[in-house]
Amino acid sequence: AQSVTQLGSHVSVSEGALVLLRCNYSSSVPPYLFWYVQYPNQGLQLLLKYTSAATLVKGINGFEAEFKKSETSFHLTKPSAHMSDAAEYFCAVSGHTGGFKTIFGAGTRLFVKA
Amino acid sequence: NAGVTQTPKFQVLKTGQSMTLQCAQDMNHNSMYWYRQDPGMGLRLIYYSASEGTTDKGEVPNGYNVSRLNKREFSLRLESAAPSQTSVYFCASSEAGTGATEAFFGQGTRLTVV
Repeated sequence: AQSVTQLGSHVSVSEGALVLLRCNYSSSVPPYLFWYVQYPNQGLQLLLKYTSAATLVKGINGFEAEFKKSETSFHLTKPSAHMSDAAEYFCAVSGHTGGFKTIFGAGTRLFVKA
Repeated sequence: NAGVTQTPKFQVLKTGQSMTLQCAQDMNHNSMYWYRQDPGMGLRLIYYSASEGTTDKGEVPNGYNVSRLNKREFSLRLESAAPSQTSVYFCASSEAGTGATEAFFGQGTRLTVV
């Protein structure tokens, strides 16, 4: 079975500081991995995805994530936080089993302080 | 381009009442999904439809039924609402059930069962 664990339900950073949101996955098959962002009262939208090409994936709004198979991790980073980055972030995994269902982590809410 | 449209956006039900949440997508996607979002639990898959004419249970199907009316529309029905079904419901669609393609989400339906 596939699963996703996001470490930290809340992360707070100062504007201009590094953003690091942690995600570890479990999968018995090569996974597809995603990061989604949810702004208040909206649906989720894709930030970036890993589909077995380059291990360092660049997404929208300056975010990137690195797939590390040995650590079963797919952490999301951004060098410099902006106030507009305040949102909830979800890591997700899907694969070749289970009808390609996408399994989501519990989410990490990012707060950005001025 | 509307993407994924959900109706209604808000609903209050009394325990035991029934209702149907509607979802339509205009991206010609094969696969459609219903998730529920609860605080601290991320998104949990209720039902999905890999293609027109097929539906399958997700993680939390009890108390729900679905209908894939055609390629565009995928509805979720609560036959006898319970307070435990108070949640935010999201419909999503993706190009194909390969796992590598991202999901596109509607704006959500906020349901309260009293």
